Amino acid sequence: GAGVSQTPSNKVTEKGKYVELRCDPISGHTALYWYRQSLGQGPEFLIYFQGTGAADDSGLPNDRFFAVRPEGSVSTLKIQRTERGDSAVYLCASSPGTAGADTQYFGPGTRLTVL
Amino acid sequence: AQSVTQLDSQVPVFEEAPVELRCNYSSSVSVYLFWYVQYPNQGLQLLLKYLSGSTLVKGINGFEAEFNKSQTSFHLRKPSVHISDTAEYFCAARAGNNRKLIWGLGTSLAVNP
Repeated sequence: GAGVSQTPSNKVTEKGKYVELRCDPISGHTALYWYRQSLGQGPEFLIYFQGTGAADDSGLPNDRFFAVRPEGSVSTLKIQRTERGDSAVYLCASSPGTAGADTQYFGPGTRLTVL
Repeated sequence: AQSVTQLDSQVPVFEEAPVELRCNYSSSVSVYLFWYVQYPNQGLQLLLKYLSGSTLVKGINGFEAEFNKSQTSFHLRKPSVHISDTAEYFCAARAGNNRKLIWGLGTSLAVNP
């Protein structure tokens, strides 16, 4: 079946601009996660949704970052007033969400470059 | 606080040789442990996971890992590697009911002919 998809695959923007990154989870998965991976680093947790609500947003670095999942499926990560330090690969994952030990499946990521 | 340490940033190895990629974790509660692989220009793919039960877990592509609670380790092994195993390998952990994964910095495995 179809995996997690993310669009765009690459996004180049200028400092100060607003960007939106989209994630389509695996059909039927109720849990959705956003991570950020900087060059040479492991992924860093940003936010986790269970259904439509953000169950844990403790990883969002500041109030320029915001994510929504209005219908419990597709999610959008929004970054306002982008800074060069926001450049990274933004990863989305989804999981069935039905048990505490369920596995997260990752999309290919969106590479964001802030000039 | 929970953390994951991958002890080797780079591991060069010859084809058909055995390999071990080391991972240690720290957590004050029970953990679930994962190994993911990231091939060049591709997304993260689950290799294997430890949830409970048998401490030796087998994954895809001939990889296996052993959970050692006393040493807080979850090392990844393969008895004979192929050129196609060249990739970045990440160890990750989840503690109890917390859903977020905590990641190591990754180990770059380079398999040479």
